[in-house]
Amino acid sequence: EVQLVESGGGLVQPGGSLRLSCVASGFTLSDHYMDWVRQAPGKGLEWVGRIRNKANNHITEYAASVTGRFTISRDDSRNSLYLQMNSVKSEDAAVYYCAREDSGNFVWGYWGQGTLVAVSS
Amino acid sequence: SYALTQPPSVSVAPGKTARITCGGDNLETKSVHWYRKKPGQAPVLVIHYETDRPSGIPERFSGSKSGNTATLTISRVEAGDEADYFCQVWASTSDLVVFGGGTKLTVL
Repeated sequence: EVQLVESGGGLVQPGGSLRLSCVASGFTLSDHYMDWVRQAPGKGLEWVGRIRNKANNHITEYAASVTGRFTISRDDSRNSLYLQMNSVKSEDAAVYYCAREDSGNFVWGYWGQGTLVAVSS
Repeated sequence: SYALTQPPSVSVAPGKTARITCGGDNLETKSVHWYRKKPGQAPVLVIHYETDRPSGIPERFSGSKSGNTATLTISRVEAGDEADYFCQVWASTSDLVVFGGGTKLTVL
């Protein structure tokens, strides 16, 4: 059974940093592109970024709203995906989901349950 | 930047048919996917590539596209279908992925 479990959310001050993790099981992580998608309170879904699979050199791509501040990485040997959030802004407050792409096409058939990031001083 | 437009809300009585639209420029050239989002739960893919239903999604869920408008149709609506529904495309613009603003489906 495919499972994605996020962790690392919490309260962060504006300008601060936070690192989210996502542990994958039930499939071979190295085969898949993986993404982060977020939902701010009362708002819609927003794509954050993705990291391609090993065969595609782990290339990363980001939404304009987080480029230069967020970094996605992965450790396939640990079945883990990461989101390093730096220079956090109030508008980054959201539930962050990791999601598995079906086949490098920005279609997500599997999602984690999410981890909440709150931003406040 | 590219944008997808959805109605903020749709209301339907149990057993009736709900239709949720998603419009965008040149949508006819893009593949449209639909997700269901319930509070406190992860999003669920209900339709991909306009019309395809993933395994485990009831046949009551169907999708279509005509010109620049895609439509998610839910037949024989049940109380459990109440949720927010989002359309999504690979925009191939500076923001690679775009979601619609979401439609809140209320079952009366």
